[in-house]
Amino acid sequence: GENVEQHPSTLSVQEGDSAVIKCTYSDSASNYFPWYKQELGKRPQLIIDIRSNVGEKKDQRIAVTLNKTAKHFSLHITETQPEDSAVYFCAASGYGGATNKLIFGTGTLLAVQP
Amino acid sequence: DVKVTQSSRYLVKRTGEKVFLECVQDMDHENMFWYRQDPGLGLRLIYFSYDVKMKEKGDIPEGYSVSREKKERFSLILESASTNQTSMYLCASSYYGTGGVDTQYFGPGTRLTVL
Repeated sequence: GENVEQHPSTLSVQEGDSAVIKCTYSDSASNYFPWYKQELGKRPQLIIDIRSNVGEKKDQRIAVTLNKTAKHFSLHITETQPEDSAVYFCAASGYGGATNKLIFGTGTLLAVQP
Repeated sequence: DVKVTQSSRYLVKRTGEKVFLECVQDMDHENMFWYRQDPGLGLRLIYFSYDVKMKEKGDIPEGYSVSREKKERFSLILESASTNQTSMYLCASSYYGTGGVDTQYFGPGTRLTVL
């Protein structure tokens, strides 16, 4: 089955710097890659996603890149702010059709130092 | 706006008790999921359901069962709670997208402590 690895597990940056979180997946049939942000004590919320027919997607300060050949995808946050501090999870779809599953990475705790 | 609610935010139970966690979504989603979240282990899928009365095991189904009698409601059942089931439990729901897997929306979570 699908396996998703996420690195680093913790990341500390200065406010205004960029942050990059990387994930690799094992199933070449995966075609949907969302990123979730979970603030302390709150539910995970989708911040950006990408499907396998595109290589990059941007939304203001966040962007996701996908390399299908290498089976890895990354989250890029530019001009980080203290409110970006949270745990970030990547995920990859299980096989399509009736399963509709997401396999999650183990999470990255991002701390933005003011 | 998608709304996924869970019956309790905090729950304390004793070893051996039968525990019910309930999840309700109001967006007519076909798919519903139960995860547990533990530090360093991320979100692990326990069970999911893609239709009423339909269920499939996830990655860690042992010690759990589920029930989906109505489309909007998905229940997680711990038949005999054990201390190693102390965890945060998250429910999620999504559309059955014709274009493939779709976005999952999460509930606020239930922190279960088994003594």
